[in-house]
Amino acid sequence: DVKVTQSSRYLVKRTGEKVFLECVQDMDHENMFWYRQDPGLGLRLIYFSYDVKMKEKGDIPEGYSVSREKKERFSLILESASTNQTSMYLCASSLWASGNYEQYFGPGTRLTVT
Amino acid sequence: DQQVKQNSPSLSVQEGRISILNCDYTNSMFDYFLWYKKYPAEGPTFLISISSIKDKNEDGRFTVFLNKSAKHLSLHIVPSQPGDSAVYFCAASWSNTGKLIFGQGTTLQVKP
Repeated sequence: DVKVTQSSRYLVKRTGEKVFLECVQDMDHENMFWYRQDPGLGLRLIYFSYDVKMKEKGDIPEGYSVSREKKERFSLILESASTNQTSMYLCASSLWASGNYEQYFGPGTRLTVT
Repeated sequence: DQQVKQNSPSLSVQEGRISILNCDYTNSMFDYFLWYKKYPAEGPTFLISISSIKDKNEDGRFTVFLNKSAKHLSLHIVPSQPGDSAVYFCAASWSNTGKLIFGQGTTLQVKP
């Protein structure tokens, strides 16, 4: 079974703090993704990575950065947290293979910025 | 610009009846579609998918229908069970990009 784990289930941070969200997958997947989920907006892609040290912007990258130093680990960084970044953050991974689209998700991190 | 839309935020059905969840898309380049199910405090889990070369895919109680001319897909759950109560997301992908575009989600409640 693919397992995607996220470092925290719940996190409360203050405005202006630097926040690190970490994601680890154990299935040697090439692709990793960060989404945020907000009511009425579904899942929106923040950043994704096809390989170590590679990253590409998703649909809403502003205010975020990412790091992928090892294949199994993908970190999302909020450089200076703001209240509008209060959200559920979901990490996912997938295999890089022709015709493969399925992504496996972690349990999510509920981030509250006060 | 919402390329994948789920216009019904919620749906309530009686146990044993059919649940039909709908999804519309605008990008004709999409060639693969997936449905995910999400319980509170858990990540989404893959449910069923369909390629654009097909118009139907079935897996147990779950069937996905694709109408390419209408750019519409639907998920049928028969019979519905209380454990099916969750948020359902449809997603679309294209050209082996590995990326998924998600709809807003529909909350299904199945009443005993």
